Amino acid sequence: DIQMTQSPASLAASVGDSVTITCRASQSVTRYLNWYQQKSGEAPKLLIYAASTLQSGVPSRFRGSGSGTDFSLTITSLQPEDFATYHCQQTYSNPDTFGPGTKVEI
Amino acid sequence: QVTLKESGPALVKPTQSLTLTCTISGFSLNTSGVRVSWIRQAPGKALEWLARIDWDDDKFYRKSLKTRLTVSKDTSRSQVVLTMTNMDPDDTGTYYCARVAGAVGFYDPWGQGTLVTVSS
Repeated sequence: DIQMTQSPASLAASVGDSVTITCRASQSVTRYLNWYQQKSGEAPKLLIYAASTLQSGVPSRFRGSGSGTDFSLTITSLQPEDFATYHCQQTYSNPDTFGPGTKVEI
Repeated sequence: QVTLKESGPALVKPTQSLTLTCTISGFSLNTSGVRVSWIRQAPGKALEWLARIDWDDDKFYRKSLKTRLTVSKDTSRSQVVLTMTNMDPDDTGTYYCARVAGAVGFYDPWGQGTLVTVSS
C-alpha cells in the first residue's frame, strides 16, 4: 500500500494568514492526489483533485500543487470557516489511502 | 443533486456482524462508470478505505479486512450495502459511503456518516 504522510500534524494560525500543508507519498502517485476538508463532526468535503484542480464551488484561496511524491495545499487569507482538518488522499494505486490529517486551528 | 446517506445500528456487540446501508439519490447504480466506496474513521484517526462496488458489480476490498467484508448493491432500491462480520471494539468509528468520480477517482460527495460503537 502507498503510505501518505502530512506535515505538520497541526498548526495554529489567525484569520488572514496564509498557511501551507504538505503531503508526501511513499512512492509516486503522479497527480492522483486529492485534498479534503473536514470540520468537526462532519463528513470530509472535496477541495482539490488531481493535485491542483479546484472543485466547483471551492474558494480560490485554496491552491494545490505538486506531482510525483510531494504535494502541498496552500490556503491564502484564512477565513474563520477554514479552521478544520485537511486530509490528502492518493487514488493512483489500490487501495486508496489517506494521510493522517492536518488540523488548522486558531 | 447527488446525495448519499448511511444508515445502520449505532451499537453492536463484539463478534456480531454489522450491516450498513448507503442510500443514494441523484444518480443510478447501474449507470456506466458509477462507483461507490465505503470509508471509516476511528475516533481521532485517519480515514481508511474499506471497499468499493462498481456499476458492473465489480467489487474491491481492503486486503486486511477482505475475509470480513461483503459489499453489494440493490439497484432498484438505490442502495449499497456493506456487511462486516466478527466486529471488534477496534472497529468502532464513523462509517461513510462516498461516490467515486472523475478520472482520478476522487470521492464526492460523501454521506453524512454513521457512528458505530462496538461494545458489550
